[in-house]
Amino acid sequence: EAGVAQSPRYKIIEKRQSVAFWCNPISGHATLYWYQQILGQGPKLLIQFQNNGVVDDSQLPKDRFSAERLKGVDSTLKIQPAKLEDSAVYLCASSNLGEGEAYNEQFFGPGTRLTVL
Amino acid sequence: GQQVMQIPQYQHVQEGEDFTTYCNSSTTLSNIQWYKQRPGGHPVFLIQLVKSGEVKKQKRLTFQFGEAKKNSSLHITATQTTDVGTYFCAGIDNYGQNFVFGPGTRLSVLP
Repeated sequence: EAGVAQSPRYKIIEKRQSVAFWCNPISGHATLYWYQQILGQGPKLLIQFQNNGVVDDSQLPKDRFSAERLKGVDSTLKIQPAKLEDSAVYLCASSNLGEGEAYNEQFFGPGTRLTVL
Repeated sequence: GQQVMQIPQYQHVQEGEDFTTYCNSSTTLSNIQWYKQRPGGHPVFLIQLVKSGEVKKQKRLTFQFGEAKKNSSLHITATQTTDVGTYFCAGIDNYGQNFVFGPGTRLSVLP
């Protein structure tokens, strides 16, 4: 079974530029998550999708971050414009929630390491 | 909002020694998950605990969920070099909001 795919693996941009990350979850997983992991910290949930609907985006900085999952499969996360403090690894994860489950095992992709200069 | 803390932040052990990391939440948790992240890698799911006082074992790893569902622990017996990595707990509060990861405990195992 293929895992969660993410691209690109690395990205270097200058501040105020825009960047987009792509994620393809495990086939059949309805739930998709985007996390930001700053070096030395735990992952921080940015947004959670259930199919193509947003379940939780309370920690997404909506003035500069946006995410979509139009067809309920793959997803993109965009930052526009980027700031120095956005330098981090952006992780995508997916899970297959059973009926009545709020959370269960999440499968993480390899992440995209973003450096903002 | 909900806060999840872990202690210790770092732990260096000699191979063969035991290791324990503790996770504490500011609010009562609906469930708690544990993940392991190797250096340069991504988090990998280890286990989920749901019931108050629950204890689960995976070979040398023992996971426990506190009676009040506000704390948890992971204990590794006789560490091996393959146990090196950062161990994160993560949980969601009883209101079903704010899925939060702890800051992690980084384990180093000296051969």
